[in-house]
Amino acid sequence: DAGITQSPRHKVTETGTPVTLRCHQTENHRYMYWYRQDPGHGLRLIHYSYGVKDTDKGEVSDGYSVSRSKTEDFLLTLESATSSQTSVYFCAISDSRGLGSRSYNEQFFGPGTRLTVL
Amino acid sequence: GENVEQHPSTLSVQEGDSAVIKCTYSDSASNYFPWYKQELGKRPQLIIDIRSNVGEKKDQRIAVTLNKTAKHFSLHITETQPEDSAVYFCAASLGGTSYGKLTFGQGTILTVHP
Repeated sequence: DAGITQSPRHKVTETGTPVTLRCHQTENHRYMYWYRQDPGHGLRLIHYSYGVKDTDKGEVSDGYSVSRSKTEDFLLTLESATSSQTSVYFCAISDSRGLGSRSYNEQFFGPGTRLTVL
Repeated sequence: GENVEQHPSTLSVQEGDSAVIKCTYSDSASNYFPWYKQELGKRPQLIIDIRSNVGEKKDQRIAVTLNKTAKHFSLHITETQPEDSAVYFCAASLGGTSYGKLTFGQGTILTVHP
């Protein structure tokens, strides 16, 4: 497995509390991503980063914010957790291979964080 | 944006049989198509991928085919074994122009019966 860790691995919290999940990589990859995984929905992109302090929204970004102050760390914050944010959260990393329009990125996933919001 | 549809949602086979999972994508500019295997409670693992300039790729018992005209790609597993039981996800990407973002299918639960 690529050098990706996530913390915490499990968390139970109450509605309305702030939660921060951390993704740490030792691969020096440029790109980092946060996904959530829910039954019947596969993996959906929340936010992604294409460099230090460079982030953008994915398809399900409402209620989430991110920060990346160092290449190796990508934080996902739920400002005020809701029960609908109960999910398994995966971080992923990638780097570009190839050139120009033929470039592609192999993504590798972290071990995941199971979050329960009561 | 890109949309990826994956079928079937569940697939049950006998050990030794072949399994085929199919995906269609909507954006003709997509150029990279990976497949992930996820065992229960584990992270998705990249098992094979194909780029748009290739029609087929094999790696031992698994293969992927791509039909750019029809915008669909498929995963083929031959001589299935119980350890192939897992959830399989296909994905599509616009490549470097999209920061490597992936759009995933909904997943296929493959069960291989001994």
